[in-house]
Amino acid sequence: GEDVEQSLFLSVREGDSSVINCTYTDSSSTYLYWYKQEPGAGLQLLTYIFSNMDMKQDQRLTVLLNKKDKHLSLRIADTQTGDSAIYFCAESIMEYGNKLVFGAGTILRVKS
Amino acid sequence: ETGVTQTPRHLVMGMTNKKSLKCEQHLGHNAMYWYKQSAKKPLELMFVYNFKEQTENNSVPSRFSPECPNSSHLFLHLHTLQPEDSALYLCASSQPPGLAGGGRAGELFFGEGSRLTVL
Repeated sequence: GEDVEQSLFLSVREGDSSVINCTYTDSSSTYLYWYKQEPGAGLQLLTYIFSNMDMKQDQRLTVLLNKKDKHLSLRIADTQTGDSAIYFCAESIMEYGNKLVFGAGTILRVKS
Repeated sequence: ETGVTQTPRHLVMGMTNKKSLKCEQHLGHNAMYWYKQSAKKPLELMFVYNFKEQTENNSVPSRFSPECPNSSHLFLHLHTLQPEDSALYLCASSQPPGLAGGGRAGELFFGEGSRLTVL
């Protein structure tokens, strides 16, 4: 079955690192994604990782994938107030074509 | 600006009304989607269209009726809705898998959403 789970809320201080975690159930996932939703806006792709990788770094963002445990994390270094948003984890499943399965989103609140 | 435009941004309707949500994309994509976003719940895929053909209906009640007249436009017709249908309805587009030149693998481009309130 398809199921993506995330914790609902994370609060950090400005300048600290944020780590948002996600677990998924389908081992046939080809890509895993992090989308960001700012207030009053739709979702925008932040970063993604192919399922045969275990880490991807992109400036302040680090994505870690533990395929054995079906665990994905997003680390944001030096978190800024502008990073306050909802972060969605998603997996794409090859056998379902272009279907993405999303989690419920993690609300990140950055305190100054 | 993501290239996907949704109207209206906000809609309030009674349970007996009939209304429509509209989505337009200027990205040259051939796949379009409707998602429902409710607080504290996973983003819920409702419908998928590939090249104007509906390829997925995720057990959505018939009071939601999609229409895709061409690859750039997608509608969601609403009638006799229930208060629990109140949510943010998001439209998205992408290139279908296997097409050359399509952006980052599986990337969906979302509109800003239509906030629906059913009284």
